[in-house]
Amino acid sequence: TQLLEQSPQFLSIQEGENLTVYCNSSSVFSSLQWYRQEPGEGPVLLVTVVTGGEVKKLKRLTFQFGDARKDSSLHITAAQPGDTGLYLCAGGWSGGGADGLTFGKGTHLIIQP
Amino acid sequence: EAQVTQNPRYLITVTGKKLTVTCSQNMNHEYMSWYRQDPGLGLRQIYYSMNVEVTDKGDVPEGYKVSRKEKRNFPLILESPSPNQTSLYFCASSQPPQKYNEQFFGPGTRLTVL
Repeated sequence: TQLLEQSPQFLSIQEGENLTVYCNSSSVFSSLQWYRQEPGEGPVLLVTVVTGGEVKKLKRLTFQFGDARKDSSLHITAAQPGDTGLYLCAGGWSGGGADGLTFGKGTHLIIQP
Repeated sequence: EAQVTQNPRYLITVTGKKLTVTCSQNMNHEYMSWYRQDPGLGLRQIYYSMNVEVTDKGDVPEGYKVSRKEKRNFPLILESPSPNQTSLYFCASSQPPQKYNEQFFGPGTRLTVL
């Protein structure tokens, strides 16, 4: 069974601060996706990383895939209240004739004005 | 607009009363899935379908049924709902392997079983 551990589980910080959340596993994944979910809505894909060591930037958000493709991090610079939400990572894998995703339990992020 | 739609968005029902949650996507995706989301447990896959007439169990299939008669629709059926099926349900579609199985989620259905 492939597991993805996300940390921290909850994070509440002031507007303007920087933060990093983590997604770790003992398994190797073919890809790693990050989603953001706002209250009352479904998760929305932010980014997919596929190469070990890959770094992608989305405005103030920086995503990194670990060299061994077992872990990932999301760094937010100068957090804003609009960044508030549940951040989910999901690891992609193939096997048994199917393509699957393993989701972490998420990091609940609150940015206070 | 590319989207996944679910109906109803909210449902309160009683134990044992059969219900169906509909899901439809307009992106011509082959893969569709149902998830439930519970506090502390995260997103768990209930069933998935790789194409029309092809469905398979996910991690928590007990008490649920699905069908895939058309590519765009993937209804979730609870034949005899029980209180432990009270949850937030999401339908999702994707098009692996070209797009790394990136999921497009619907807006969710909040189900309460009394």
